Amino acid sequence: QVQLVESGGGLVKPGGSLRLSCVASGFTFSDYYMSWIRQAPGKGLEWVSYISSSGNTIFYVDSVKGRFTISRDNAKSALYLQMSSLRAEDTAVYYCARERRGYSYGYDYWGQGTLITVSS
Amino acid sequence: QSALTQPASVSGSPGQSITISCTGTSSDVGGYNYVSWYQQHPGKAPKLMIYDVTNRPSGVSDRFSGSKSGNTASLTISGLQAEDEADYYCSSYTSSNTRVFGGGTRLTVL
Repeated sequence: QVQLVESGGGLVKPGGSLRLSCVASGFTFSDYYMSWIRQAPGKGLEWVSYISSSGNTIFYVDSVKGRFTISRDNAKSALYLQMSSLRAEDTAVYYCARERRGYSYGYDYWGQGTLITVSS
Repeated sequence: QSALTQPASVSGSPGQSITISCTGTSSDVGGYNYVSWYQQHPGKAPKLMIYDVTNRPSGVSDRFSGSKSGNTASLTISGLQAEDEADYYCSSYTSSNTRVFGGGTRLTVL
């Protein structure tokens, strides 16, 4: 069955860095676009970034441009989010999610999420 | 990259129907048939309920349906059940090739 397992969360000081990982199983990872989506405590979902199946196409929400870098290793079925210059407002549960294939839109599988807390 | 607009809360009694709206612009909701809806129970990851405006993934109850008119998409839940009580989010593809979510709607089953 499809599984997405995030790791790498924790407490980090403002201005610090952290790398999140998401390991996929149960499907051909290299066939799918993947995204990171976050949810601040008690708040709604916010799309953060997506990466195409090959890794050649990448987009970010404006608030993280220049600070976050999404990447993937298809050989390892892994998705990453390198986060730097972290701010208090980056505090959130970060989910990795798989996008439906083809001319279709929806995140059909989600990880359990990993909590990032940015605080001094 | 403004969030889509959803009502903060809706409520209904068991057996009733409710509709949650999701308003965007011609650059997102209105421009593409790429709207999806998610159900999220407390402490859980979101679950895809509707994709491409009207389509239900396998396993999702046919009590859930989606539609769109202009820049506004809607999620209708018929025959409300206690387990439908949750937060619901819409999401859309955008003309900038990014994605955007709505602010979320808390559904209370009275």
